[in-house]
Amino acid sequence: DAMVIQNPRYQVTQFGKPVTLSCSQTLNHNVMYWYQQKSSQAPKLLFHYYDKDFNNEADTPDNFQSRRPNTSFCFLDIRSPGLGDAAMYLCATSRDLGAVREAFFGQGTRLTVV
Amino acid sequence: GDSVTQMEGPVTLSEEAFLTINCTYTATGYPSLFWYVQYPGEGLQLLLKATKADDKGSNKGFEATYRKETTSFHLEKGSVQVSDSAVYFCALSGMDSSYKLIFGSGTRLLVRP
Repeated sequence: DAMVIQNPRYQVTQFGKPVTLSCSQTLNHNVMYWYQQKSSQAPKLLFHYYDKDFNNEADTPDNFQSRRPNTSFCFLDIRSPGLGDAAMYLCATSRDLGAVREAFFGQGTRLTVV
Repeated sequence: GDSVTQMEGPVTLSEEAFLTINCTYTATGYPSLFWYVQYPGEGLQLLLKATKADDKGSNKGFEATYRKETTSFHLEKGSVQVSDSAVYFCALSGMDSSYKLIFGSGTRLLVRP
């Protein structure tokens, strides 16, 4: 089945040690999103790519970066993780259909910072 | 700007009870409306959607009707099961938010046997 796949499902990293989370999709969607979610709160959009165009949310800390080397893959880099960055990170994709921007989510990566 | 308001949880029901989770929205024009479900430790799954006024989305016994006049998209199910226990998010995608998904705060549903 066409999917959005996130790796790894669980990631433990040390305080201040750079970490990269990955997302791949077989849906061939042109939009990819990264969300941060804490304790079943509403997902918070960090940034998204529309094709190769990167769109950062105004309140996303500089500590968070992203790369999209091709249509299928997108990475979230956390340069210096703090304890407050422990969360579930969700990748999602959508096809640009104007207002019908239905998003498909991966299973998430649970990040623990020790 | 666009926003979504959901009823506070948790909602606790007995199996086979009727479920309603209220959702209202603020947006200009005609946004698309969605319900997503999140099971423990999982990502979000699209449960149902509606893209224009009076549309009814339905899936797995859940229904929601896009009500433009009341700006609402309430989620209903006639008979809940223990397996429906999850967090439910109402969301919209509209012109004012550049078609990004705007989520409500989520409502946790707990169904007891």
